[in-house]
Amino acid sequence: SQQGEEDPQALSIQEGENATMNCSYKTSINNLQWYRQNSGRGLVHLILIRSNEREKHSGRLRVTLDTSKKSSSLLITASRAADTASYFCATDAWAGGGSNYKLTFGKGTLLTVNP
Amino acid sequence: DAGVIQSPRHEVTEMGQEVTLRCKPISGHDYLFWYRQTMMRGLELLIYFNNNVPIDDSGMPEDRFSAKMPNASFSTLKIQPSEPRDSAVYFCASSFWSSGAPTTDTQYFGPGTRLTVL
Repeated sequence: SQQGEEDPQALSIQEGENATMNCSYKTSINNLQWYRQNSGRGLVHLILIRSNEREKHSGRLRVTLDTSKKSSSLLITASRAADTASYFCATDAWAGGGSNYKLTFGKGTLLTVNP
Repeated sequence: DAGVIQSPRHEVTEMGQEVTLRCKPISGHDYLFWYRQTMMRGLELLIYFNNNVPIDDSGMPEDRFSAKMPNASFSTLKIQPSEPRDSAVYFCASSFWSSGAPTTDTQYFGPGTRLTVL
């Protein structure tokens, strides 16, 4: 079963606009990560936010995490045509103090940025 | 660093044939993951290794699938015999574990192997 579920499944915006994608998950986590996948390519890591963090920034990316709601959002500001890709959230389920090296990915949000 | 290297990039085979996918992880990484991606099921973890030892193969679909990691710089995923439903993109990823951390951080993905079984 999918741990992370992204919303919306697809998003189309104009260049320069902001894009917001959401992720919901089911179990407690250590970290939540966001990845990008361009068509026909492998996934590329964008940003990681730990369970004790609420917000993180990296360039034009802003990620928030609400562990009480088991949700995260990824905001891309001032979008560019090159941001067109699928975006995935990935979570590692907390293993009760033990170690867990498995990431579970959602099905992704397909972002299209029109020039 | 060249990143994670996978070969072949594309494989077309006929049902019943053996297929071997190859992966070279990033040097120094101690975790290696094999994933399968399809439109219907998304990205699924098949198996992962730590220091060349298989740790969790619960995602391997059935006995037709097997994976090995004979050394730190090479891993294979084998499907024998292949079936049309195995058609998918197979990704290899590697990661590094920081001592004391409860989990690994970034996973670095290869470009994938697109497998088509006719």
